[in-house]
Amino acid sequence: GENVEQHPSTLSVQEGDSAVIKCTYSDSASNYFPWYKQELGKRPQLIIDIRSNVGEKKDQRIAVTLNKTAKHFSLHITETQPEDSAVYFCAAPGNQFYFGTGTSLTVIP
Amino acid sequence: DVKVTQSSRYLVKRTGEKVFLECVQDMDHENMFWYRQDPGLGLRLIYFSYDVKMKEKGDIPEGYSVSREKKERFSLILESASTNQTSMYLCASSKQGGISYNEQFFGPGTRLTVL
Repeated sequence: GENVEQHPSTLSVQEGDSAVIKCTYSDSASNYFPWYKQELGKRPQLIIDIRSNVGEKKDQRIAVTLNKTAKHFSLHITETQPEDSAVYFCAAPGNQFYFGTGTSLTVIP
Repeated sequence: DVKVTQSSRYLVKRTGEKVFLECVQDMDHENMFWYRQDPGLGLRLIYFSYDVKMKEKGDIPEGYSVSREKKERFSLILESASTNQTSMYLCASSKQGGISYNEQFFGPGTRLTVL
């Protein structure tokens, strides 16, 4: 099946700094790459997604970049704030929906 | 607003019991999913369904079965619960368009403990 690797597993940054989370995937058929955010005790929610016909997508302080040739995509959060503290999951769906193992981001005030 | 609800937030069962976890969505979504979430392992797909009475195995279907008799309801069944099935179970739904290509909306989760 699909193998989605996500790094790092934990990440601590100072408030205002940037955070980058990377995922690699193996299924060449994957064409849709979402990122979900799960705050402590809450359900995962989609924060941004990208389709394979574009290389980058931005939404305010959040951006996702995609390199289909290298089969990796990244989440970038700029000007981090304490409310960005959460677990972030990437996914690279093929014929099933495979999630990465998650990155626990802590933003230190 | 999409609403996905799960029958219980917390559940404690004994080894060998039959366990039913219920999920209901109110947005007329065609696709429904069951995941389990364990520390360090992320979200792993157990089963999914793209239509009433249809089901497909996910990555870790062993020890589980599912039922989808109505479009809005997707049930996860543990035929004989075991301690290694202690976990957080998350249900999700998405609209038609192929299971991979649309946002999934998650329920609040059921934390199941098997003693």
